[in-house]
Amino acid sequence: AQSVTQPDIHITVSEGASLELRCNYSYGATPYLFWYVQSPGQGLQLLLKYFSGDTLVQGIKGFEAEFKRSQSSFNLRKPSVHWSDAAEYFCAVVPYINDYKLSFGAGTTVTVRA
Amino acid sequence: DTGVSQDPRHKITKRGQNVTFRCDPISEHNRLYWYRQTLGQGPEFLTYFQNEAQLEKSRLLSDRFSAERPKGSFSTLEIQRTEQGDSAMYLCASSLPVDEQFFGPGTRLTVL
Repeated sequence: AQSVTQPDIHITVSEGASLELRCNYSYGATPYLFWYVQSPGQGLQLLLKYFSGDTLVQGIKGFEAEFKRSQSSFNLRKPSVHWSDAAEYFCAVVPYINDYKLSFGAGTTVTVRA
Repeated sequence: DTGVSQDPRHKITKRGQNVTFRCDPISEHNRLYWYRQTLGQGPEFLTYFQNEAQLEKSRLLSDRFSAERPKGSFSTLEIQRTEQGDSAMYLCASSLPVDEQFFGPGTRLTVL
């Protein structure tokens, strides 16, 4: 079945430490790829997106993600985490060029400790 | 334009009642989407409009659910005869063609 997998349900990281969130997808073609963040009581905010081109994409709030076709992965990274990065993070894909529906992973909750 | 807005933000209702939610998209966006998010899960696609035309409905959208987008502007999502299993966050998003979707804050529905 076609799916988006975020293997880590919950990650705890110290403030100032690096963060990496994993995302794998299983679709035949290279989909459009997105990372969204959701803070409590807030809607989903787009961090970054990959459509084509350079496989390392920069986003807002100091986040970056790397698309690896051979591993069907689109992992999110941040070199130094701030307390305000505590939130839930969702990887999402639009499977085909002419499609429009976002398919989301189950999300990873990030806790930042002082 | 401040983004996608949704109303109400919270709705508590009794089982069997009807509820209606409203979404106001970003004004120049011709695409509008509804998603449902349950606790501990990512959002799931419900339905999609291009202008006023509803082009796709998910199998998640039972006959008790209906969505409209008159005149291609705001959209409403109605749930008839609510059930406890309908309790969720209902998210609306809008976009231009082949572009990122911008999400509203959501309407949290609790069915007692």
